Amino acid sequence: GNSVTQMEGPVTLSEEAFLTINCTYTATGYPSLFWYVQYPGEGLQLLLKATKADDKGSNKGFEATYRKETTSFHLEKGSVQVSDSAVYFCALSDPYNGNQFYFGTGTSLTVIP
Amino acid sequence: DADVTQTPRNRITKTGKRIMLECSQTKGHDRMYWYRQDPGLGLRLIYYSFDVKDINKGEISDGYSVSRQAQAKFSLSLESAIPNQTALYFCATSLHSGGAINEQFFGPGTRLTVL
Repeated sequence: GNSVTQMEGPVTLSEEAFLTINCTYTATGYPSLFWYVQYPGEGLQLLLKATKADDKGSNKGFEATYRKETTSFHLEKGSVQVSDSAVYFCALSDPYNGNQFYFGTGTSLTVIP
Repeated sequence: DADVTQTPRNRITKTGKRIMLECSQTKGHDRMYWYRQDPGLGLRLIYYSFDVKDINKGEISDGYSVSRQAQAKFSLSLESAIPNQTALYFCATSLHSGGAINEQFFGPGTRLTVL
């Protein structure tokens, strides 16, 4: 079956620190991979995506590379800001199951000045 | 400008009551979804609909029903609410376009409390 496992939080970092949030997946086929971000009191917004192996998604200084050999899609940012404080969700879309999405449990990030 | 809207945004109800959560979208998307979010569990799919006549159960459909009244409207009902249905509920939409994998767009959520 399909599943997504991401590192548990909460994660607390100082401003300008390096961020890594680990995400690994299990999939029956060749999924697309996504990172969504949820700011307090809001719905989820797409942060970045990658549709095939070795693709790198990037947006707002965040990056993630689709690694088929390690079934991973780790989220990274070189220098976090207070405004990056949010909950981050890794997700996969299964093309063999109507493109149904499977989400990880979310990782809460707090950035302190 | 919210392209996916949910009503109500907050609701407190009592055990045994029937409640309906509504979702509307102006994105012109054909696919719509209902999820619930619980702390530590992430998002779990309740129901999804690929068009007005195509409705499917998700991972946790027991205790819920849905209605796709039009392409733009997808409502979620709890026939007899129970306390463990207390959660944050999200509606999402996506556009099917051939073989492309398209993102889902989320509404702002409805916080439901069942006493």
